[in-house]
Amino acid sequence: DIQMTQSPSSLSASVGDRVTITCQASQDITNHLNWYQQKPGKAPELLIYDASNLETGVPSRFSGSGSGTDFTITINSLQPEDIATYYCQQDDNLPYTFGQGTKLEIK
Amino acid sequence: QVQLQESGPGLVKPSETLSLTCTVSGGSIRSHYWSWVRQPPGKGLEWIGYIYFTGSTNYNPSLKSRVTISVDTSKNQFSLNLRSVAAADTAVYYCARGGGELRYWGLGTLVTVSS
Repeated sequence: DIQMTQSPSSLSASVGDRVTITCQASQDITNHLNWYQQKPGKAPELLIYDASNLETGVPSRFSGSGSGTDFTITINSLQPEDIATYYCQQDDNLPYTFGQGTKLEIK
Repeated sequence: QVQLQESGPGLVKPSETLSLTCTVSGGSIRSHYWSWVRQPPGKGLEWIGYIYFTGSTNYNPSLKSRVTISVDTSKNQFSLNLRSVAAADTAVYYCARGGGELRYWGLGTLVTVSS
């Protein structure tokens, strides 16, 4: 199985900050990397697919980049409603696997 | 707008079978992949498997010996059966549209395995 490692595991930032979360795959997954946002008690929501494509309706302050084994999601100008846990997921090789999550809190 | 809704027992006894159904509304179950994902309390997400509307499936090898996913196109539903459950199978179970990128999700249903 491909292991997905996110860092940091938790993060505290202030409103208006630029926030970056990284995800590393244990092997090359080209651009087959998705990012999800999960708010407490809610289902995950797809934010970014194929590493850098913004899902319809997702605010433009979110962006994704990377290829191969190293990926990032960036939130420009953090908003209070961005408080959530973020997960990366590879869909290059079965079984599809998720990172362990990054919990984002407001400072 | 596509909506998904999980249904099934919230409590299952150890060694028994967990059975959930996902009902799809606002769109056809045809021409898409459909997945199950679970999340133990306070933990991360685990992909269980997916089914294509034709019935073709792929399962997580860690669960493959115990899992069956099926589809009923006449009812616009797909289902999950997980056999011989144990406490470690306690989780919120989500259904979702897609095989890889999961674009639409159900609200999730908590299934507790306990006697």
